[in-house]
Amino acid sequence: GAVVSQHPSWVICKSGTSVKIECRSLDFQATTMFWYRQFPKQSLMLMATSNEGSKATYEQGVEKDKFLINHASLTLSTLTVTSAHPEDSSFYICSAHRTPTYEQYFGPGTRLTVT
Amino acid sequence: GESVGLHLPTLSVQEGDNSIINCAYSNSASDYFIWYKQESGKGPQFIIDIRSNMDKRQGQRVTVLLNKTVKHLSLQIAATQPGDSAVYFCAVDQTGANNLFFGTGTRLTVIP
Repeated sequence: GAVVSQHPSWVICKSGTSVKIECRSLDFQATTMFWYRQFPKQSLMLMATSNEGSKATYEQGVEKDKFLINHASLTLSTLTVTSAHPEDSSFYICSAHRTPTYEQYFGPGTRLTVT
Repeated sequence: GESVGLHLPTLSVQEGDNSIINCAYSNSASDYFIWYKQESGKGPQFIIDIRSNMDKRQGQRVTVLLNKTVKHLSLQIAATQPGDSAVYFCAVDQTGANNLFFGTGTRLTVIP
């Protein structure tokens, strides 16, 4: 199977600090990874599409300077929440696209709490 | 654009009964549809998918039906078990975009 991991699984940070979340495809290469945010009892909302070796594509309303995405290799994408605020507290989930199929494999998510 | 919705936010079924979860979408150009299961505190887990050139696909205890005429998608779970309790999302992908639009989600509760 295709496994995607995320690290950390949960993190608590103080307001104003930055937090980096890693997303790794463990047994396949992913030229495209996706970052989602999910608030309690709500659906997943796509934040950005991360392409290896190029700039990420952000969805409307997502601040690219606040949510920095780096996809430096075919197995790793990182999301950095800069100057975090309590309203950034959420469940962040990544997925990796396994070519040549259309399937996306999801990571277990990272619970971010900003105090 | 694409909007995805689910008809019922919650569904309770008796263990052993069949479950049906519905989903509606708006963009007739949508080509690929996926059902995911999400347990509390975890990422979505792929259940089954279907492409627009099909109207039915079966997996182990699960069946997905696609009605393109009315832009409706359903997930049927046979002999529902307590381990099936979770939130179920439908997701829609337009070919080439590979961006998934998720529905609101239906919480399935299986009563022992």
